[in-house]
Amino acid sequence: QVQLQESGPGLVKPSQTLSLTCTVSGGSISSGGYYWSWIRQHPGKGLEWIGYIYYSGSTYYNPSLKSRVTISVDTSKNQFSLKLSSVTAADTAVYYCARRTYSSSKTYYFDYWGQGTLVTVSS
Amino acid sequence: SSELTQDPAVSVALGQTVRITCQGDSLRSYYASWYQQKPGQAPVLVIYGKNNRPSGIPDRFSGSSSGNTASLTITGAQAEDEADYYCNSRDSSGNLPVVFGGGTKLTVL
Repeated sequence: QVQLQESGPGLVKPSQTLSLTCTVSGGSISSGGYYWSWIRQHPGKGLEWIGYIYYSGSTYYNPSLKSRVTISVDTSKNQFSLKLSSVTAADTAVYYCARRTYSSSKTYYFDYWGQGTLVTVSS
Repeated sequence: SSELTQDPAVSVALGQTVRITCQGDSLRSYYASWYQQKPGQAPVLVIYGKNNRPSGIPDRFSGSSSGNTASLTITGAQAEDEADYYCNSRDSSGNLPVVFGGGTKLTVL
């Protein structure tokens, strides 16, 4: 059973960089067909996709956040990470890591999620 | 268009059938996946592909698609099905590989 676990500071100061890591267990991050993703949810709001990374290092980011986001992967530790720079209060949200599976040319889905971690941006 | 549109709220009587819909141009090209989210919990995948349920998801959950509309149907809704439901797909315009609907709050009466 694949499990994902987010870790990182729960409080970040404005203008600083938010850094989170997702540790994957029960499966290899280097397996093909999976896109390791970050998704956030503002309090009381819907889901917002931040970006994903393939084990090879290829990334794709939400254009609305692209200038501030970096996602990286460490296959030796079976981890992938999120950095979001120049944060403001608007970045306060629950951040989830998730595995996106490519099943066919028409079928993509997030089958495993971390439990989420609340990150508050405040001085 | 890179949008998926859901009704904000839907209600159903206990034991009855409810359909939650998701509309978007991308659904003409890609299947929707559906997620159930209860308060304070991470989303859980309930339907993916043409009509597939992950292991552990009750068979009262089913999915369908027609044109630009995907539907999640709960046949015989239970109290524990009260939750937010989100649809998700890939954007067909190429601008955004991942797009979520705004979510539907399901109330079981």
